[in-house]
Amino acid sequence: DIVMTQSPSSLAVSAGETVTINCKSSQSLLSSRNQINYLAWYQQKPGQSPKLLIYLASTRESGVPDRFIGSGSGTDFTLTISSVQAEDLADYYCQQHYNYPLTFGSGTKLEIK
Amino acid sequence: EVQLVESGGGLVQPGSSLKVSCVASGFTFSRYVMEWFRQAPENGIEWLAYINTDSSSTHYAETVKGRFTISRDNAKNIVDMQLSSLRSEDTAMYFCARESFFKYGSYGFDYWGQGVMVTVSS
Repeated sequence: DIVMTQSPSSLAVSAGETVTINCKSSQSLLSSRNQINYLAWYQQKPGQSPKLLIYLASTRESGVPDRFIGSGSGTDFTLTISSVQAEDLADYYCQQHYNYPLTFGSGTKLEIK
Repeated sequence: EVQLVESGGGLVQPGSSLKVSCVASGFTFSRYVMEWFRQAPENGIEWLAYINTDSSSTHYAETVKGRFTISRDNAKNIVDMQLSSLRSEDTAMYFCARESFFKYGSYGFDYWGQGVMVTVSS
């Protein structure tokens, strides 16, 4: 199974700051056939179901603000949230869909000071 | 509007069975792979099961293989999961989700249900 290691587990920032969440996979998520990284990021607000933010490592889902930026390739990925807003209070998860079983990172809890 | 609505959760005793269901609307259900996930209280997300569009292929997580069975009825726009031999560690919120694909494969789960709680306790 592909192990997804996410860090930090939590962070607290003030509105307007930039945050970076890291995700490392135990094997490459980059397909040699098509050079696509099969990595997604989800946001889960309190009491809600997960919401797809970023897919294929760096493509924003429709309607997601452009302050959410996904980057990385191979085994190392990053979610950057620039100019954090109060509404970004949530848990964030990376997930690989390179192969089954699908696996998630352990999550990052973002708190707003 | 795409909607996924789960039902069937509840409090059950260890060793018992339960079926959770997910009714889809707002899209052509038969064209989409559907999958189940769960999230134990204050825990992360765990993938459980996959079913392809015509039910010819299923996959399961090792933690539930042989105990849980995913199925779908494209005529009724429903994906079910039968949970058997339930254990306390199966206590969680259960979510169904739609997987979307493009030319080169999956790009993730773009719609999720609101979840249904299953509690296994004596």
